[in-house]
Amino acid sequence: AQSVTQLDSQVPVFEEAPVELRCNYSSSVSVYLFWYVQYPNQGLQLLLKYLSGSTLVKGINGFEAEFNKSQTSFHLRKPSVHISDTAEYFCAVSLPLNRDDKIIFGKGTRLHILP
Amino acid sequence: NAGVTQTPKFRILKIGQSMTLQCTQDMNHNYMYWYRQDPGMGLKLIYYSVGAGITDKGEVPNGYNVSRSTTEDFPLRLELAAPSQTSVYFCASSYSGTLSYEQYFGPGTRLTVT
Repeated sequence: AQSVTQLDSQVPVFEEAPVELRCNYSSSVSVYLFWYVQYPNQGLQLLLKYLSGSTLVKGINGFEAEFNKSQTSFHLRKPSVHISDTAEYFCAVSLPLNRDDKIIFGKGTRLHILP
Repeated sequence: NAGVTQTPKFRILKIGQSMTLQCTQDMNHNYMYWYRQDPGMGLKLIYYSVGAGITDKGEVPNGYNVSRSTTEDFPLRLELAAPSQTSVYFCASSYSGTLSYEQYFGPGTRLTVT
């Protein structure tokens, strides 16, 4: 079975500083990986995804993530955060060619931007 | 397109009452999902549907029921509400044909059972 671990439940960072949100997954087969963002009082929206190909994936709002198969990681990074990045971020995994597009979500990392 | 819409936004139920959470999508997506979100626990899949007339249980289906009579609608029914069902509920949809694997989420329904 697949699982996702987000190593930090909360990450405080100063505005304009870089940030990395960590995600590790467990699976015996190849997986698809996603980062979703949830702004306060809203639903989730897709930030970026890795299906295949280049291991460095760029998403919306200046975020990027790198798929590392040997370390089973998919960490999310941004070189300079803005107050508008305050949100909860969810790493998620899905199986290729599954018949129902089911996604397994991590528990989330809350990003606090400090002025 | 309105995307995925959910009603109501908020609801307070007494223990033992029942209610239906409505979910509608206008993107002609064939897959639809119901999740619950509890603080610090991420999202847990309650039920999902791969098309009209087809539903299946997710990780936490107990106490809930669903139906999918049309492509657009996927209501979630709570029978005999319990305090453990206090949560934020999200409906999502996706389209298998594009192989994008992206799920589109509604704004959520915040339910309190007292």
